[in-house]
Amino acid sequence: AQSVTQPDIHITVSEGASLELRCNYSYGATPYLFWYVQSPGQGLQLLLKYFSGDTLVQGIKGFEAEFKRSQSSFNLRKPSVHWSDAAEYFCAVVPRGYKLSFGAGTTVTVRA
Amino acid sequence: DVKVTQSSRYLVKRTGEKVFLECVQDMDHENMFWYRQDPGLGLRLIYFSYDVKMKEKGDIPEGYSVSREKKERFSLILESASTNQTSMYLCASATGTGSYEQYFGPGTRLTVT
Repeated sequence: AQSVTQPDIHITVSEGASLELRCNYSYGATPYLFWYVQSPGQGLQLLLKYFSGDTLVQGIKGFEAEFKRSQSSFNLRKPSVHWSDAAEYFCAVVPRGYKLSFGAGTTVTVRA
Repeated sequence: DVKVTQSSRYLVKRTGEKVFLECVQDMDHENMFWYRQDPGLGLRLIYFSYDVKMKEKGDIPEGYSVSREKKERFSLILESASTNQTSMYLCASATGTGSYEQYFGPGTRLTVT
């Protein structure tokens, strides 16, 4: 079945440390790829997106993501996390039309 | 900035009640969406609309209906609320020109007792 997988349900990271969130998809062709963030009590905000071209994508809040076609992955990274990065992160794909398919989400906790 | 607003942040309803969730966007977007968000399941699409009076079922439409009488407003209706519809409901909008970026409202946490 076609799907979006975020293998890590919960990640804890120290403030100032690096962060990597994993995302894998299983669609026949390369879909459009997105990362969204949801801070507590808020809606989702787009961090970055990949449609084509350079496989390393820069986003807001210091995040970047790398598309790897051979691994069907679109992992999100940040070199140095801040306490305000504590949130839930969702990977999403558009395999066809305008309908987003979301992963289950990864909750990030930042410890001082 | 795009703004998507939802009529309530928190709502408590009784089983069997008819429930209306309202969503309004101010960017003249053609596409609007309703999702429900449950722990461990991510966001699942209930319905979406690509034009006024046009709608299409998403992945989990059972027990829900929608209405889009004006371009800026998209309503989700629970005809007879049940406890398994207790969830967070998120509305989103997007242009119809292929950007695929969706703008989300803050969500409505619905509890059905």
